[in-house]
Amino acid sequence: GNSVTQMEGPVTLSEEAFLTINCTYTATGYPSLFWYVQYPGEGLQLLLKATKADDKGSNKGFEATYRKETTSFHLEKGSVQVSDSAVYFCALSNTGNQFYFGTGTSLTVIP
Amino acid sequence: ETGVTQSPTHLIKTRGQQVTLRCSSQSGHNTVSWYQQALGQGPQFIFQYYREEENGRGNFPPRFSGLQFPNYSSELNVNALELDDSALYLCASSLDRGVTDTQYFGPGTRLTVL
Repeated sequence: GNSVTQMEGPVTLSEEAFLTINCTYTATGYPSLFWYVQYPGEGLQLLLKATKADDKGSNKGFEATYRKETTSFHLEKGSVQVSDSAVYFCALSNTGNQFYFGTGTSLTVIP
Repeated sequence: ETGVTQSPTHLIKTRGQQVTLRCSSQSGHNTVSWYQQALGQGPQFIFQYYREEENGRGNFPPRFSGLQFPNYSSELNVNALELDDSALYLCASSLDRGVTDTQYFGPGTRLTVL
């Protein structure tokens, strides 16, 4: 079956710290992988995506590389800001564009 | 290009009642998916419609049903509401139903069942 496992939060970092949020997946076939972000009181927004093995998705200083050999898609950012405080969801899309989400990781960045 | 919109924003119902939630997809998007997001959890797939036909369903009972219309709007209907149906309901539209197609989410409808 299809499933996504994310590292549990909450995660609290100081401004300018390095961020890693781990995500691993189980899937049949060749899924696409996504990171979505949910700011307080708002809906899910696409942060980045990768559609095949070894692809790197990037946006707003965030990066994630699709690693088929380790079935992972870890999210990284070199220097977080207070405005990055949000809940981050890893997701996969498989046959028929049906999405499977992880449980989310809450990030709080303190000045 | 307009985004995905949902109505209403909030809704309070009592157990046993029926509810209809509405979504307006981005123009040109043939696929709409509905999700239930319980507090502190990730979205759970309810079902998907492609060109007005159901195109997949998650592990939800038949009292969850939907419709998609030619004007890119859609509905989620829930009958015989239960307390556990209290959640944020999200709709998402995508251009097509391919593996690489991004889903664009609306802001959600917060349903409270008393």
